[in-house]
Amino acid sequence: QVQLVESGGGVVQPGRSLRLSCAASGFTFSSHAMHWVRQAPGKGLEWVAQIWYDGSNKYYADSVKGRITISRDNSQGTLYLQMNSLRADDTAVYYCARDGQQLARYSFDIWGQGTMVTVSS
Amino acid sequence: QSALTQPPSASGSPGQSVTISCTGTSSDVGGYNYVSWYQQHPGKAPKLMIYEVNKRPSGVPDRFSGSKSGNAASLTVSGLQAEDEADYYCTSYAGNNNWVFGGGTKLAVL
Repeated sequence: QVQLVESGGGVVQPGRSLRLSCAASGFTFSSHAMHWVRQAPGKGLEWVAQIWYDGSNKYYADSVKGRITISRDNSQGTLYLQMNSLRADDTAVYYCARDGQQLARYSFDIWGQGTMVTVSS
Repeated sequence: QSALTQPPSASGSPGQSVTISCTGTSSDVGGYNYVSWYQQHPGKAPKLMIYEVNKRPSGVPDRFSGSKSGNAASLTVSGLQAEDEADYYCTSYAGNNNWVFGGGTKLAVL
């Protein structure tokens, strides 16, 4: 079945780096744009970044621009989020989500279960 | 980009209908027919319920419907059932490959 599985979360000190991964299965990963969306504890959802199906274009929320990089390896069916200079307000569950594309344009039609990132000294 | 405005809570009795609003601006909700709604149960991932304002993905009951007027969108849940109790989030495409979410609405089925 269509599935996204995130990994790589954990506890990290402020200013340090962390890389999240999202393994896709059950669909043609290389045909879909992908997103990262985060949710701080007890808070709402926040769009973080998008990458096109071929990795040629990447877009970021202003809140993370310059500190976070989205990338993908289509040969491995994996999406990544490299997070640098982490701050306390980056503490959140990070979800990867599939772009709905032609079937559900400008929406997120499949979500992973999320991985928790805690930034704390 | 400011978050879309949703009421923090909504409620209804089983069988009733409830409508959740989502207010944005002409730069997001009002500018594009790309409003989507997500259901999130505690500790679970969000689930797409409505896309492109009023379209339902396969498998979503037709009790869920969406609409939009000007800068405001809404989600209506008819024939409320206990399993509809969850948090609901709206989101809108905001141009320039940017998306903005609402703050979420906690729906209680009394």
